[in-house]
Amino acid sequence: DGGITQSPKYLFRKEGQNVTLSCEQNLNHDAMYWYRQDPGQGLRLIYYSQIVNDFQKGDIAEGYSVSREKKESFPLTVTSAQKNPTAFYLCASTDRPGHGNQPQHFGDGTRLSIL
Amino acid sequence: KNQVEQSPQSLIILEGKNCTLQCNYTVSPFSNLRWYKQDTGRGPVSLTIMTFSENTKSNGRYTATLDADTKQSSLHITASQLSDSASYICVVSADYKLSFGAGTTVTVRA
Repeated sequence: DGGITQSPKYLFRKEGQNVTLSCEQNLNHDAMYWYRQDPGQGLRLIYYSQIVNDFQKGDIAEGYSVSREKKESFPLTVTSAQKNPTAFYLCASTDRPGHGNQPQHFGDGTRLSIL
Repeated sequence: KNQVEQSPQSLIILEGKNCTLQCNYTVSPFSNLRWYKQDTGRGPVSLTIMTFSENTKSNGRYTATLDADTKQSSLHITASQLSDSASYICVVSADYKLSFGAGTTVTVRA
């Protein structure tokens, strides 16, 4: 089955530590996205990538970093500079990013908490 | 600033009953409006996508309506089932940028 796989499902971060969230897709989609979901708020865009080796900052990129070395992979690193990292992180992908009527396919998320 | 407001924040209904969720937006220029269903601890799943020219779109027991003049959309759930318990998120696209509502949490009780 094609889809998006996020791992781990749960992650705990110690103070001063960087952690990396994995996102892999086998949908052959060009565009991939990282969102942060907090209770009572809409999803907020962290980073997105429309093509391999290229990515753009979203609305809340500070304290996060990404890479896009392969089409199917878009890992997100939450750095120690992100002072409030506790949230549910969602990875998404879409085909033909320039055509706005394509639905985004989401992974099942990673819940990050501070120890 | 583009905004998407959903109401109510949460609701409880009995199995077999109908309910309607509301979405008002100020996003401009409008490209399309999407409704997603998100089960607890899972990622959102697309239910419908409507463009400017579409007034109604159905997906099984889910029917979405759009009034682009008043910038309002609704999602109607018919003959609710326990599996409909989830958060429903309204997403509006403008120039390929997505604005997400905070969602309506629906709880269906037997």
